[in-house]
Amino acid sequence: DSGVTQTPKHLITATGQRVTLRCSPRSGDLSVYWYQQSLDQGLQFLIQYYNGEERAKGNILERFSAQQFPDLHSELNLSSLELGDSALYFCASSVDRSSSNSPLHFGNGTRLTVT
Amino acid sequence: AQSVTQLDSQVPVFEEAPVELRCNYSSSVSVYLFWYVQYPNQGLQLLLKYLSGSTLVKGINGFEAEFNKSQTSFHLRKPSVHISDTAEYFCAVAPYTGNQFYFGTGTSLTVIP
Repeated sequence: DSGVTQTPKHLITATGQRVTLRCSPRSGDLSVYWYQQSLDQGLQFLIQYYNGEERAKGNILERFSAQQFPDLHSELNLSSLELGDSALYFCASSVDRSSSNSPLHFGNGTRLTVT
Repeated sequence: AQSVTQLDSQVPVFEEAPVELRCNYSSSVSVYLFWYVQYPNQGLQLLLKYLSGSTLVKGINGFEAEFNKSQTSFHLRKPSVHISDTAEYFCAVAPYTGNQFYFGTGTSLTVIP
């Protein structure tokens, strides 16, 4: 058990809809990362938050947004969903002081299916 | 910029045989190196990491990896695999500063009884 909790485990929705994925990081971890894993593109970095502030952006679409709350949990919002958004979405957390020698700890992911 | 190349997308190997999963990286700055394993329907778990010091790193489940700076490689090895090692393996690099992790596309290891 990594200590990172993601909900829900599965989500099935229709095109054009909006969903919210939730992540609770490991106790003591201040940084949260979101990744998208699809069969054809592997593990793609979306966005990172540190202690409530956006730290880095990756290949995140404008239809997607995220935030980290004061209690350090994070939410990833996906809107105007398309079939191609179907994927596994992972949250990871790290202690993240000033360097990246702290490894990432991953949740079990949310499997999103857009029909 | 950083990039990670895992040359083999699929590696089948017989049970109790040795295995090597290859990882090469490209980076203009110094990086930390990691190997993660993903079992079916689960998230990624850290297998091992190289931060500094000895270039041979031992991880969990009998895996080890060797950092070769001149060849910019970080290959993962196990002398004798088990059925339970069947999983997807990801190599990742992270620059010393910046808190960014770059993942390879993964290698699917299938252990054949």
